[in-house]
Amino acid sequence: AQKITQTQPGMFVQEKEAVTLDCTYDTSDPSYGLFWYKQPSSGEMIFLIYQGSYDQQNATEGRYSLNFQKARKSANLVISASQLGDSAMYFCAMRGINTGGFKTIFGAGTRLFVKA
Amino acid sequence: GAVVSQHPSRVICKSGTSVKIECRSLDFQATTMFWYRQFPKQSLMLMATSNEGSKATYEQGVEKDKFLINHASLTLSTLTVTSAHPEDSSFYICSAEEGRESDGYTFGSGTRLTVV
Repeated sequence: AQKITQTQPGMFVQEKEAVTLDCTYDTSDPSYGLFWYKQPSSGEMIFLIYQGSYDQQNATEGRYSLNFQKARKSANLVISASQLGDSAMYFCAMRGINTGGFKTIFGAGTRLFVKA
Repeated sequence: GAVVSQHPSRVICKSGTSVKIECRSLDFQATTMFWYRQFPKQSLMLMATSNEGSKATYEQGVEKDKFLINHASLTLSTLTVTSAHPEDSSFYICSAEEGRESDGYTFGSGTRLTVV
């Protein structure tokens, strides 16, 4: 079965510091994609970063980077130089062939609080 | 970038009435759209996959007759909650994929439904 696990319900980080949000996954798909989304209190879902299972390098997008460890089935999100506006819910997600028609499944989410 | 417009953003309705939620891709064609439901402080749960010109594919446990999905054009999918009850109160959000998987899904802004 496909599964995404985010074990940190909430995280605190001091402004300007880096923070790592954990994500592990389980899949039998040979090929899959991993995503991180941000959901502010307003509710919209904002795509942050993508990692393909065959990508050799870890993905980076500005202050976001994805620490992809395929053997451990982990895809942690690293946010550098945290800003107050980073306070939000963060969801790790996965899409693979065997999730049934390329559906995306989401983890439970981690709420990040950035302290001034 | 790709934009998905979702309306209404908030709706309050009486028990027993029906509510229609629209999801439009503004600058791209979406043969497939996804509808999610999110309970407070929980993750996104996929309800159904909306396919242009054909029947929607519903997830296990989702009542087809209660949550009617129509994807009549390449830019519009609608979700109708029929005979709404208080337990249908939730946050509903749609998404579509414009192009490459690495670009992630584009989400609508969501609809907060309250049934009184």
